[in-house]
Amino acid sequence: DSGVTQTPKHLITATGQRVTLRCSPRSGDLSVYWYQQSLDQGLQFLIQYYNGEERAKGNILERFSAQQFPDLHSELNLSSLELGDSALYFCASSARLAGGAYNEQFFGPGTRLTVL
Amino acid sequence: LAKTTQPISMDSYEGQEVNITCSHNNIATNDYITWYQQFPSQGPRFIIQGYKTKVTNEVASLFIPADRKSSTLSLPRVSLSDTAVYYCSHPSTGANNLFFGTGTRLTVIP
Repeated sequence: DSGVTQTPKHLITATGQRVTLRCSPRSGDLSVYWYQQSLDQGLQFLIQYYNGEERAKGNILERFSAQQFPDLHSELNLSSLELGDSALYFCASSARLAGGAYNEQFFGPGTRLTVL
Repeated sequence: LAKTTQPISMDSYEGQEVNITCSHNNIATNDYITWYQQFPSQGPRFIIQGYKTKVTNEVASLFIPADRKSSTLSLPRVSLSDTAVYYCSHPSTGANNLFFGTGTRLTVIP
């Protein structure tokens, strides 16, 4: 158990809909990262928040957005869903901000999103 | 653009040593290299991390040559439970996020 929790575990929805994925980081971790994992793209970084502020952006679509709340939990919002958005979405947390120096990321169990 | 490549898959018999090499030719000077293990329907799990030369912990060793453009994860005496996908990673140059390699699917055969 990494200490990172994600809800829901599974989500099935239709194209055009909007969903929200939730993540609670490990106790004390200030950084939260969101990743998408699909069969053809592997693990892709989406976005990072540190102590409530957006700090890095990866391959995140404009239809997707995220935020980190004062209690440090984070939500990833996916809108106007398409079939291709079906994937596993992982949240990870780390204690620090910097990616260069030692900064282990702890991953949650993921949310499996299926868009029909 | 960072390019991090690994073999797609490897097979090994139980009890053998397995070496998985990752090429990361665009790694920055201060970046650490981290390897993760992922089982189906689970999040990646940290195995080992290093900066240069050799690092060893209770589950694996990590070899990083002087030029740091590659790294090799060594799993001693693998068992069936080591069947998983192994990812090398390093910070994306100039950013805070992790850049993951393509992943190597290791299958341990009885």
